[in-house]
Amino acid sequence: AQSVAQPEDQVNVAEGNPLTVKCTYSVSGNPYLFWYVQYPNRGLQFLLKYITGDNLVKGSYGFEAEFNKSQTSFHLKKPSALVSDSALYFCAVRVGGFKTIFGAGTRLFVKA
Amino acid sequence: GAGVSQSPSNKVTEKGKDVELRCDPISGHTALYWYRQSLGQGLEFLIYFQGNSAPDKSGLPSDRFSAERTGGSVSTLTIQRTQQEDSAVYLCASSLGTGSNSPLHFGNGTRLTVT
Repeated sequence: AQSVAQPEDQVNVAEGNPLTVKCTYSVSGNPYLFWYVQYPNRGLQFLLKYITGDNLVKGSYGFEAEFNKSQTSFHLKKPSALVSDSALYFCAVRVGGFKTIFGAGTRLFVKA
Repeated sequence: GAGVSQSPSNKVTEKGKDVELRCDPISGHTALYWYRQSLGQGLEFLIYFQGNSAPDKSGLPSDRFSAERTGGSVSTLTIQRTQQEDSAVYLCASSLGTGSNSPLHFGNGTRLTVT
């Protein structure tokens, strides 16, 4: 079955430290992968996407994601976390046509 | 420009009543999606529409749930005989639909509370 998994319910990091939010996927064919962010009391926003090409994808707000085909992963990263990055992060994969499924989400807490 | 608009933003209903949730996508977006999010948890896929193709209804949890999209634009999600477990935030999203790499643009959701 096609799926996407976020193994961590919560990630805690100190401000200024690098952060990683993990995502693994299982799809047939070439994956179309996305990261979205949900800030408190706000709607989901698109962060970045992977199609084909460079394995390191850069997105909004200084975020980037690393695609690893052999490990079927698409981890979200940022070199230096900000308190304002605290939010709920979702990994998503497009499966067949336009259907998009989401992971369970990872809550990121950045402490000052 | 205008984003995805959902109405109402909040809906409180009694168990057993029917509810209709509305979504107005971004103009020109041919793909429209409905998701359900319970208590800040993950997004559960419900249904999506793409152009004039038959909708993918594979995520609808029961036959009490239905959705339609009129004229390729506005969509309505209907829940009949609501149950308490239907309480959640219902999110609508649209995308250009011109390729598999088009990101989704979400509305702010409708928070449904069934008492």
